[in-house]
Amino acid sequence: DGGITQSPKYLFRKEGQNVTLSCEQNLNHDAMYWYRQDPGQGLRLIYYSQIVNDFQKGDIAEGYSVSREKKESFPLTVTSAQKNPTAFYLCASTKTPQGNTEAFFGQGTRLTVV
Amino acid sequence: RKEVEQDPGPFNVPEGATVAFNCTYSNSASQSFFWYRQDCRKEPKLLMSVYSSGNEDGRFTAQLNRASQYISLLIRDSKLSDSATYLCVVNPNTNAGKSTFGDGTTLTVKP
Repeated sequence: DGGITQSPKYLFRKEGQNVTLSCEQNLNHDAMYWYRQDPGQGLRLIYYSQIVNDFQKGDIAEGYSVSREKKESFPLTVTSAQKNPTAFYLCASTKTPQGNTEAFFGQGTRLTVV
Repeated sequence: RKEVEQDPGPFNVPEGATVAFNCTYSNSASQSFFWYRQDCRKEPKLLMSVYSSGNEDGRFTAQLNRASQYISLLIRDSKLSDSATYLCVVNPNTNAGKSTFGDGTTLTVKP
């Protein structure tokens, strides 16, 4: 079945550590996105990529980094520079680079700083 | 002012009630509009796209008002299973490639 897969589902990080969240899609979608969601809040865009080997900052990119070396993969690294990383992270993809079609989401990764 | 604004609610309604949500957007060039549903601690999923002529899917009706720059979602005969957060999404259909999500409206349907 086609879809978008995030791993791990739960992740615990010590302060000062970098961690990488995985996102893979087999939908052959052009665009991929990373969002952060805090409790009771909406989705905030971290980074997005419309095409392989290219990505743009979203609204809250500071403390995060991404890569898009393959069409199907868009990993997110939460660096130690991100001061409050505890949140629910959602990866999404859309068929078109413009993002004007249905977005498919992964099941999310809950990151907790311990 | 946020690009996309929704009344956060919560909306608490009895089963069988009709409830409507609005979502306003600031970019008059916006072209694509969607409603997503998000259950607690889950990922959002597409509920329906919003077309200029309006569209209906069973108990759900979505409408677009370009003049006033808002979209609406009407739910008739509410079910307990409709309890969720409803997110509106707006996209300008430009090469910028970014959709903007509203913060969501929470609906609780009670017996």
